[in-house]
Amino acid sequence: AQKITQTQPGMFVQEKEAVTLDCTYDTSDQSYGLFWYKQPSSGEMIFLIYQGSYDEQNATEGRYSLNFQKARKSANLVISASQLGDSAMYFCPLEDKFYFGSGTKLNVKP
Amino acid sequence: DSGVTQTPKHLITATGQRVTLRCSPRSGDLSVYWYQQSLDQGLQFLIQYYNGEERAKGNILERFSAQQFPDLHSELNLSSLELGDSALYFCASSWGLGTDTQYFGPGTRLTVL
Repeated sequence: AQKITQTQPGMFVQEKEAVTLDCTYDTSDQSYGLFWYKQPSSGEMIFLIYQGSYDEQNATEGRYSLNFQKARKSANLVISASQLGDSAMYFCPLEDKFYFGSGTKLNVKP
Repeated sequence: DSGVTQTPKHLITATGQRVTLRCSPRSGDLSVYWYQQSLDQGLQFLIQYYNGEERAKGNILERFSAQQFPDLHSELNLSSLELGDSALYFCASSWGLGTDTQYFGPGTRLTVL
């Protein structure tokens, strides 16, 4: 069975600093991908970034980048220059989208 | 705006009742997913449809059922409601399966009193 583990239930970061949100996964698939989603307090789920296991370069979307380490089965999200609007829950499902994990709650301090 | 619509936005009902939640996927998307998110919990996958056919089932109770219609909109039916069914129910759509990005609707907040 596929599984997602996010070991940081809650994190704080100072505005304008970078922060790394951890995500480890367990899958027996040889080819797979992983998404990151953000859920602000308003409730909507917002797609941030995706990377496939076959991609050689780590994905980047604006201030978001994925640090994909297949040997360790981890796909951490790095947010550079944190903004107050980054305060939210963050989830990292595998590409089948069946398992979202418990999420990490990020609080950005002014 | 993701392009996925869900109605109603809020729903308050009593235990034992039955409700229907509706989802319209983004134009062109064939796959619809339903999720349940209880207070301060992660998303629990319920069921997935692809082009009208049930594709995958997750932790969906027997009291819950869903279908996807020929126009690709989907409905989630919840019956014999219990207090514990109070949650935010999300619908999401993607063009196909696998790596296609999934876009979420705004959710339906169900409160069972």
